[in-house]
Amino acid sequence: DIQLTQSPSFLSASVGDRVTITCRASQDINNYLAWYQQRPGKAPKVLIYVASTLQSEVPSRFRGSGAATEFTLTISGLQPEDFAVYYCQQLKSLPITFGQGTRLEMK
Amino acid sequence: QLVESGGGLTQPGRSLRLSCVASGFTFGNYAMHWVRQVPGQGLEWVTGITWNSGLTDYAASVKGRFTIARDNAQNSLYLQMNSLRSEDTAVYFCVKDILASLRQGWGFDLWGRGTLVTVS
Repeated sequence: DIQLTQSPSFLSASVGDRVTITCRASQDINNYLAWYQQRPGKAPKVLIYVASTLQSEVPSRFRGSGAATEFTLTISGLQPEDFAVYYCQQLKSLPITFGQGTRLEMK
Repeated sequence: QLVESGGGLTQPGRSLRLSCVASGFTFGNYAMHWVRQVPGQGLEWVTGITWNSGLTDYAASVKGRFTIARDNAQNSLYLQMNSLRSEDTAVYFCVKDILASLRQGWGFDLWGRGTLVTVS
């Protein structure tokens, strides 16, 4: 199975900050990577798919990049609603796997 | 939208069947999945099925005990869970794939609210 490791696991930031979350895959997954945001008590919501494509209606302050084994999610100009948990997911091969999550908290 | 049902409290070794009814999109055009989450913990993909039921796959933790199925005429997805264990306790989400296939996918673009399964 392909393992995904996110870093950091916890991130403290302020409104207006720029933050970056990294996701490393245990093997080459090309660009078959998605990013999700999960707010408390809610279902996850896709932000980015195929590594860098912004899902419809997702604000442009979210940006995904990377390929092969290293990927990043960057949020520029944090808004209050962005404080949540973020997950990466690989869909290159079965079984589909998720990273362990990154909790973004308000400083 | 996706609306799950069938969760609840059951005992170890028993069975439960989850259902998910889809609306607002052409259900038969997309792969579908079940993803679970232990409250307060991360996401675990459980199983997926292609648009035409031609391929299914399962996480190792549920293989041989869970079965996914779909009825495109009824816009419905199912998860038959047998030989339940305490470690199956989680919120189960019904999820729509962006694509029709399971391999080399793009992501999951629609999630239900989830149904809680408690095995105790």
